Order: sequence, then structure tokens, then C-alpha cells
Amino acid sequence: QITLKESGPTLVKPAQTLTLTCTFSGFSLSTNGVGVGWIRQPPGKALEWLSLIYWDDDKRYSPSLKSRLTVTKDTSKNQVVLRMTNMDPADTATYYCAHRRNDGWYDFDFWGQGTLVTVSS
Amino acid sequence: QSALTQPASVSGSPGQSITISCTGSSSDVGGYNYVSWYQQQPGKAPKLIIYEVNHRPLGVSNRFSGSKSGNTASLTISGLQAEDESDYYCSSYAGSTTRLVFGGGTKLTVL
Repeated sequence: QITLKESGPTLVKPAQTLTLTCTFSGFSLSTNGVGVGWIRQPPGKALEWLSLIYWDDDKRYSPSLKSRLTVTKDTSKNQVVLRMTNMDPADTATYYCAHRRNDGWYDFDFWGQGTLVTVSS
Repeated sequence: QSALTQPASVSGSPGQSITISCTGSSSDVGGYNYVSWYQQQPGKAPKLIIYEVNHRPLGVSNRFSGSKSGNTASLTISGLQAEDESDYYCSSYAGSTTRLVFGGGTKLTVL
């Protein structure tokens, strides 16, 4: 059974760096083809894709946020970490990590519960 | 402003069928057969219900079906049930630069 869970601060100040951890079980990020993505959703708004990291450490980022994002993995801990620099109130959102469907492209079949991050001074 | 355009809301009565459209461009929906649909209930994470235009993951009801024509993808829900009342989002692969785009979401109300 695949599960994912996001953790990190619920409140960050403008200009600070956000660090979120996705801890998962039921699969390994060292297995060929596996990927974990990050998607966010501002309150009452649409989903926005942020990043995707693959089993081979290849990484992809949203072009509009690429300069602010870094994603890493720790295979031994079954964790993926997302860092977003220079946080702004517009970055207030629920942040989700999700498992990329096996043999899939950019679709996600298992999601974490999400974590709400508020950016405010 | 989302890259893909969906109607803000649709509604239908129990037992009826409804269709939600998702309009993009030749750079995303029209260029690839990598359109997905997600169902999101209030306060919950999205759930994948359609991938690669018209494939259902295991466990998803066959009342959900997907299709695509040109730059527009569609999600059809047949035999509407009260439990289908949710927000629905489409997504599409958009090439090696943009990667993945989402629609603005559609709120389905079951009357």
C-alpha cells in the first residue's frame, strides 16, 4: 500500500526559505521508473505543478518557479525534500507530494494529505 | 490564469450524464495523449480518475470516461450520483519546457 505524507512549517515569513519533507512508504525511489512530484493549491484556487524527481535523480521543475525550487531525495529514508526560496504571501497554499503512476508520464495516482503553508509576517 | 480552460461549474440531476471540457492548445492537450483528470472532494487530496486521455485506474468506476478531440479534452460522468459532487481538474503534459499544466477546475453540483 502506497502512502505519502508531507511535513514542514505551517507558517513562514516573507523572504524566508520553505523546506517541506515528503515521507513515503509502499515503494522505493531507487526502483526504475519511480517518481515523486510536488503540486500546490492556493486556498480556493487551482492545482499547480511544481516539480518531479525520478529514481535516477533526474529532476524537473515548473519553468515559472525553477529559480526558486530545489528537490532532493534520500532513498534510505524514503523521503523527498522540496525547498522554495524567497517565499511570498502569494505562495500561501496547500502543498502536496504525490507518487507518479508506474509507467506513467506526468500523472499521479497516490497523493499525500497535503500541508497548508501560510506566508505572513 | 490557468493554462487549460474549464467551465467554472456544471450541474446535473441524479442518473443524468454530464460532460466537462478542458481546452488547451496544440502545445499541450492537442499535442500529446497525456491528459489526466482528477476528482477532489472538499478538504481532500485529488484522486486520479482518468489518465492518458481515456484510461481508468483500477478501482475507478466505469461511469467515468475521457476523450479528446483536437485541443479539447472531455470528462463524461454517466449515471450521476450524489457522491460525484466534487471539483474536477484536468491536466496535460505540455512539452519538455513547460512539462505539466492544470485546468482551473470545475465544480460539479448534483441537483
